[in-house]
Amino acid sequence: KAGVTQTPRYLIKTRGQQVTLSCSPISGHRSVSWYQQTPGQGLQFLFEYFSETQRNKGNFPGRFSGRQFSNSRSEMNVSTLELGDSALYLCASSLDMGYEQYFGPGTRLTVT
Amino acid sequence: AQSVTQLDSQVPVFEEAPVELRCNYSSSVSVYLFWYVQYPNQGLQLLLKYLSGSTLVKGINGFEAEFNKSQTSFHLRKPSVHISDTAEYFCAVTQGGSEKLVFGKGTKLTVNP
Repeated sequence: KAGVTQTPRYLIKTRGQQVTLSCSPISGHRSVSWYQQTPGQGLQFLFEYFSETQRNKGNFPGRFSGRQFSNSRSEMNVSTLELGDSALYLCASSLDMGYEQYFGPGTRLTVT
Repeated sequence: AQSVTQLDSQVPVFEEAPVELRCNYSSSVSVYLFWYVQYPNQGLQLLLKYLSGSTLVKGINGFEAEFNKSQTSFHLRKPSVHISDTAEYFCAVTQGGSEKLVFGKGTKLTVNP
């Protein structure tokens, strides 16, 4: 079974721009979660989607948004990028609550 | 709110020595506990999990962890490490009924020859 895939793997953007990151979960998995990893703050939960509905949301500003499609693929969007948004963005998928989450390789976003 | 404390930010050990990476959590309700490993420039790989049942959990690559409810700990152990175990290890907790993983700050394990 193919693992979680994320595209693109690397991205360089300028302050003020917006960006869209994509995540394809493991086949059959209906839950997709997003995390931000930075050296200072560590791993922080952004949001989680299940069957196209956001079930849970972390403490991030409204510039961070996401969605999930009917095939369980998910995208996250960051608008009006700030330097502090530079991070590794990780996507994880699972069958449902209570099952382990499997992580993708991440998208490394650099904001200049 | 849940929180996870990994007591050591860096742990250097020699090859074939035993290692213990410490993790404490705080939560007022029942939790699920996980250890993940991250190799450079990669995502997170699940090492092991505790959901319920036996408090001693065995995972991949020879790692094991023991859930101690009274001490709210979930320490990770390996009796003999290899150079290839050099990586960053994250302890994480999620409350039953939620997919939100709360991570510790991570422990960088360096295995020296």
